[in-house]
Amino acid sequence: EDKVVQSPLSLVVHEGDTVTLNCSYEVTNFRSLLWYKQEKKAPTFLFMLTSSGIEKKSGRLSSILDKKELFSILNITATQTGDSAVYLCAWRGRNNDMRFGAGTRLTVKP
Amino acid sequence: DAGITQSPRHKVTETGTPVTLRCHQTENHRYMYWYRQDPGHGLRLIHYSYGVKDTDKGEVSDGYSVSRSKTEDFLLTLESATSSQTSVYFCAISESTSSYEQYFGPGTRLTVT
Repeated sequence: EDKVVQSPLSLVVHEGDTVTLNCSYEVTNFRSLLWYKQEKKAPTFLFMLTSSGIEKKSGRLSSILDKKELFSILNITATQTGDSAVYLCAWRGRNNDMRFGAGTRLTVKP
Repeated sequence: DAGITQSPRHKVTETGTPVTLRCHQTENHRYMYWYRQDPGHGLRLIHYSYGVKDTDKGEVSDGYSVSRSKTEDFLLTLESATSSQTSVYFCAISESTSSYEQYFGPGTRLTVT
């Protein structure tokens, strides 16, 4: 059965810390892996990864995919309280179906 | 923001009644998705559509049906609502050519009593 596993499930840090969120997957027909941020509403898109070893970067956030070891990481440097959210990763298959992980709840304290 | 709306935004209904949720997009995107989100489960795909009248099941499709008669509208129907279908329902869209990014609607909170 296809599955996407995120770790840790929750994380509490202080402003200025760097965090690494993990996403591992066991799926068939891999097409792409996506990261989303969800605050108290709908998820918002962060990154889409299709190729191994190529880092995607947006401000303090970056992400990379390892297709051989079947995982992706999302890094956030110099965290701010506004980074507090649930971070979701999702696998997109060749049929364009989607499978999400349960998410990592990040809390950034002042 | 991508032009996606969901209606209703909130609904309370009784067990055994039919319920239809509507997702409407103004982006002319080919793919549309229905998810449910429950604590501890993240987002789970119910059904998705890859074109008018073309739909397929996701991982939690039992008890749900969908229809897409126009590009812009994707309907999710609970034929006979059960308490286990109490959830937040999200619609999402994506375009299959230049981008596989997926954009989400604002969500519908459904309570089945």
